[in-house]
Amino acid sequence: GENVEQHPSTLSVQEGDSAVIKCTYSDSASNYFPWYKQELGKRPQLIIDIRSNVGEKKDQRIAVTLNKTAKHFSLHITETQPEDSAVYFCATGGTSYGKLTFGQGTILTVHP
Amino acid sequence: GAGVSQSPSNKVTEKGKDVELRCDPISGHTALYWYRQSLGQGLEFLIYFQGNSAPDKSGLPSDRFSAERTGGSVSTLTIQRTQQEDSAVYLCASSLDLAGVGEQYFGPGTRLTVT
Repeated sequence: GENVEQHPSTLSVQEGDSAVIKCTYSDSASNYFPWYKQELGKRPQLIIDIRSNVGEKKDQRIAVTLNKTAKHFSLHITETQPEDSAVYFCATGGTSYGKLTFGQGTILTVHP
Repeated sequence: GAGVSQSPSNKVTEKGKDVELRCDPISGHTALYWYRQSLGQGLEFLIYFQGNSAPDKSGLPSDRFSAERTGGSVSTLTIQRTQQEDSAVYLCASSLDLAGVGEQYFGPGTRLTVT
């Protein structure tokens, strides 16, 4: 089955810096790549997603890039703010109905 | 509109007891998913419903776990003879997309503690 590896497990940055989180996956048939943000004690919420026919997608300060050949995708957050502090999860899907396979998560801390 | 709701929010049970966890998806969402999140871990897929049927039960960890969905809406996840390793947050999500490539909206989860 699909295996998703996410790095780093923790990331600490200063306010205003950029943050990058990377994920690799094993199933070349995966064609949907969402990123979820989970604040402490809250439910996961979708922040951005990309489909396999697109190499990059941007939404204000966040962007996702996808390299299907290498089977990896990344989340980029620019001009980080303290409220960006949360756990971020990558996931893959599209091969088995709506089943998503999640990475282990990255704890992002943005220091003011 | 109302989002995905789950009940109870917290459940403490003794080892060996059965528990039922409930999920109310967003109205009109035909796809419903159950995930398990252990402390400090990612989300582990358990089961998926399309309407009232479950085409993918591959994630259920043992035959102590079962789930059903009635009326294309409410779903119940049942864990029989609970074990300490069942302790986790159980998350439900629903989706409008039938092809499996759309946003999944998560509920707040049920925190299960088995003592």
